[in-house]
Amino acid sequence: NAGVMQNPRHLVRRRGQEARLRCSPMKGHSHVYWYRQLPEEGLKFMVYLQKENIIDESGMPKERFSAEFPKEGPSILRIQQVVRGDSAAYFCASSLRQGENEKLFFGSGTQLSVL
Amino acid sequence: GNSVTQMEGPVTLSEEAFLTINCTYTATGYPSLFWYVQYPGEGLQLLLKATKADDKGSNKGFEATYRKETTSFHLEKGSVQVSDSAVYFCALSNTGRRALTFGSGTRLQVQP
Repeated sequence: NAGVMQNPRHLVRRRGQEARLRCSPMKGHSHVYWYRQLPEEGLKFMVYLQKENIIDESGMPKERFSAEFPKEGPSILRIQQVVRGDSAAYFCASSLRQGENEKLFFGSGTQLSVL
Repeated sequence: GNSVTQMEGPVTLSEEAFLTINCTYTATGYPSLFWYVQYPGEGLQLLLKATKADDKGSNKGFEATYRKETTSFHLEKGSVQVSDSAVYFCALSNTGRRALTFGSGTRLQVQP
């Protein structure tokens, strides 16, 4: 039973380009969370999605960032026109049900570097 | 709102030394408390948890007790190993949809 899979592991972009980060939750999990970890900081919540729905995006910047979790396929975190300040590790986590925080499984993250 | 404060690192110890990493929290209601560990190049793994006051979470020799009176959840281990070198995050969850609020993490370096 594969865990939460994120790809790519490392992503390098130049300023102004787009970044797409993918997250495949654990099999059977329909709840996905995205977190961002800036250097030397803790993880900050960005967005919580269920299949085809954004439930809570209160942690996501209003501009340039978007997320989706389609009926089929992985969840995608999309960052348009990246800037140097977007450089961070982006972690995805999944759970079987809402509120099962002790059963939250994390992926290994995508390290985004903006040149 | 919810917040978690951890002691700053890095914490550098010799093998077999005693470890304490302090964690205090601010939250409404009765949160659940967690410690996560992040090994180099990996995602976070749940280390232990406690869901109510006076509960003690334990795993792999690590322990933490939920102290409501001091709003603390300090992580301890009696004898650390080199393999314990990692970043440790204290976290809490409350009712709602954000899942977890994390502290800033404490890097532990254990030297042989």
